Amino acid sequence: QKEVEQNSGPLSVPEGAIASLNCTYSDRVSQSFFWYRQYSGKSPELIMSIYSNGDKEDGRFTAQLNKASQYVSLLIRDSQPSDSATYLCAVRTGYSTLTFGKGTMLLVSP
Amino acid sequence: NAGVTQTPKFQVLKTGQSMTLQCAQDMNHNSMYWYRQDPGMGLRLIYYSASEGTTDKGEVPNGYNVSRLNKREFSLRLESAAPSQTSVYFCASSEAAGTSKTDTQYFGPGTRLTVL
Repeated sequence: QKEVEQNSGPLSVPEGAIASLNCTYSDRVSQSFFWYRQYSGKSPELIMSIYSNGDKEDGRFTAQLNKASQYVSLLIRDSQPSDSATYLCAVRTGYSTLTFGKGTMLLVSP
Repeated sequence: NAGVTQTPKFQVLKTGQSMTLQCAQDMNHNSMYWYRQDPGMGLRLIYYSASEGTTDKGEVPNGYNVSRLNKREFSLRLESAAPSQTSVYFCASSEAAGTSKTDTQYFGPGTRLTVL
């Protein structure tokens, strides 16, 4: 069974710090990786996607992918209280289907 | 452009009752998906429709049926609701052009279902 693992947290960081969220996956042939943010009581919202080894930056967010280690991470620089949410890692494991991790809760304290 | 819409937002059922959750998208997407989200379990795929006229089982299909009514609409039916089906249900859609690895899923607002 294809699995996506995340630490459930909560990960607590002070405002202005870097938050580092990690995800590992079991399917070696996976080619597409996504980070979604989900506020309490809301639906998942796409933040970043990454397909190649290395880093991809978008504003305060950086996604990092290491296919050899089957590891994908999300860095949030200058964390804000509004970043407090659950972050879901998703890996494409089929023709069009995704497998989601259980999510990491991030708490940013003012 | 509303994106993905779902109705109803909330529903309470008694064990054994039936209901249909509705989902529609206005992005001209080919693929649509139904997930359920339970505390500590993450998002789990129930059924999906890769294109109009096709449906396939996901990870947790038991107790559910789906209909891809047309390109825009994808419904999820509970024939005889059970307390184990208490959950938040999300519909999603994606363009799914061939096997594009950039294909991205966009989610609706969710339906919160309680089965007593």
